[in-house]
Amino acid sequence: DSGVTQTPKHLITATGQRVTLRCSPRSGDLSVYWYQQSLDQGLQFLIQYYNGEERAKGNILERFSAQQFPDLHSELNLSSLELGDSALYFCASSVDGHLNYEQYFGPGTRLTVT
Amino acid sequence: GDSVTQMEGPVTLSEEAFLTINCTYTATGYPSLFWYVQYPGEGLQLLLKATKADDKGSNKGFEATYRKETTSFHLEKGSVQVSDSAVYFCALTPSNAGKSTFGDGTTLTVKP
Repeated sequence: DSGVTQTPKHLITATGQRVTLRCSPRSGDLSVYWYQQSLDQGLQFLIQYYNGEERAKGNILERFSAQQFPDLHSELNLSSLELGDSALYFCASSVDGHLNYEQYFGPGTRLTVT
Repeated sequence: GDSVTQMEGPVTLSEEAFLTINCTYTATGYPSLFWYVQYPGEGLQLLLKATKADDKGSNKGFEATYRKETTSFHLEKGSVQVSDSAVYFCALTPSNAGKSTFGDGTTLTVKP
């Protein structure tokens, strides 16, 4: 158990809908990362927050947004969902926003868009 | 931009065989290098890391050495077990930003 929690575990929704994925980092970790893992594109970094502020942005679509709240939990919002958004979404956390600090991954949320 | 290239899989080995999974990287400066492992149905777990040139990371019998001259961080294990069957990801985190870059992952299957 990494100490990172993600809810829900599974999510099935229809095209065009909007969903929110939630992540609670390990106790004491200030940085949260979001990743998308799909069969055809591997593990893609989406976005990173550090202590409430956006720190780095990766291949995140404009239909997607995220935020980190004062209690350090984070939410990833996915809107106007398409079939291609079906994937595993992982949250990870680390102590700091820098870099020889390893990331601890949650168990993931499996999103299926039908 | 930064990139990580891993040996393509899948890799299938017999129990007690020697394992090497190649990883090379492109990055400016002095990144930190990581190997993560993903068991079926689970999230990624850190396996080992190295933060500077010539550092050797090791854990659970796995080793990898940070080779700056060849920009490589190959994963090795002397004797694999069935329980090592998983997907292995090589990753780097640059020295001046938060964006980590992961390789495509290498699936390892160990047969008894």
